[in-house]
Amino acid sequence: ETGVTQTPRHLVMGMTNKKSLKCEQHLGHNAMYWYKQSAKKPLELMFVYSLEERVENNSVPSRFSPECPNSSHLFLHLHTLQPEDSALYLCASSQEEGASYEQYFGPGTRLTVT
Amino acid sequence: GQNIDQPTEMTATEGAIVQINCTYQTSGFNGLFWYQQHAGEAPTFLSYNVLDGLEEKGRFSSFLSRSKGYSYLLLKELQMKDSASYLCAVLDSNYQLIWGAGTKLIIKP
Repeated sequence: ETGVTQTPRHLVMGMTNKKSLKCEQHLGHNAMYWYKQSAKKPLELMFVYSLEERVENNSVPSRFSPECPNSSHLFLHLHTLQPEDSALYLCASSQEEGASYEQYFGPGTRLTVT
Repeated sequence: GQNIDQPTEMTATEGAIVQINCTYQTSGFNGLFWYQQHAGEAPTFLSYNVLDGLEEKGRFSSFLSRSKGYSYLLLKELQMKDSASYLCAVLDSNYQLIWGAGTKLIIKP
């Protein structure tokens, strides 16, 4: 595997379900991000982990819970979601040093909450 | 507040040139990125500008004017595969990326 991978690619869940999204980066980066992308809206930054510590929360509802067990893996745990949470969830990674903050994105998980 | 503005949608003809504009108002500035995103796919990096002027990379060029809070992405010799959304993003004083909503570019034969 190369780059940033995400699983699953598609997920349909009920409002009472619990599920997790997984992201893995194979680039040796030290920062990872979760974004929410809704139609015709800017990318919304949800969480940032730098050196495995969460540095940004952006007031995300507690029904979204991130986990970063090491620098290569990032999870987003989901529970009791709402229909408005249906969106594309993108994971990204970057190397935070020097002048390079370019983010590399995974293909995303298309989430539908019914 | 912080704001990135870019047109919602643009249409151009195969073989032609198109310019996608982006204006920004952010808390500090540490560079501006352009990303390309095909439908159903991940955004991919196109360019990064931190100094004023034009950066050319093949058929794509990106321009920055920090005093005007303005950038554009110029696409030449358009191909059908250039149909995609183009995202403008600014790295603010906290080194956080502030994203525009994206411009959907439609290329017609």
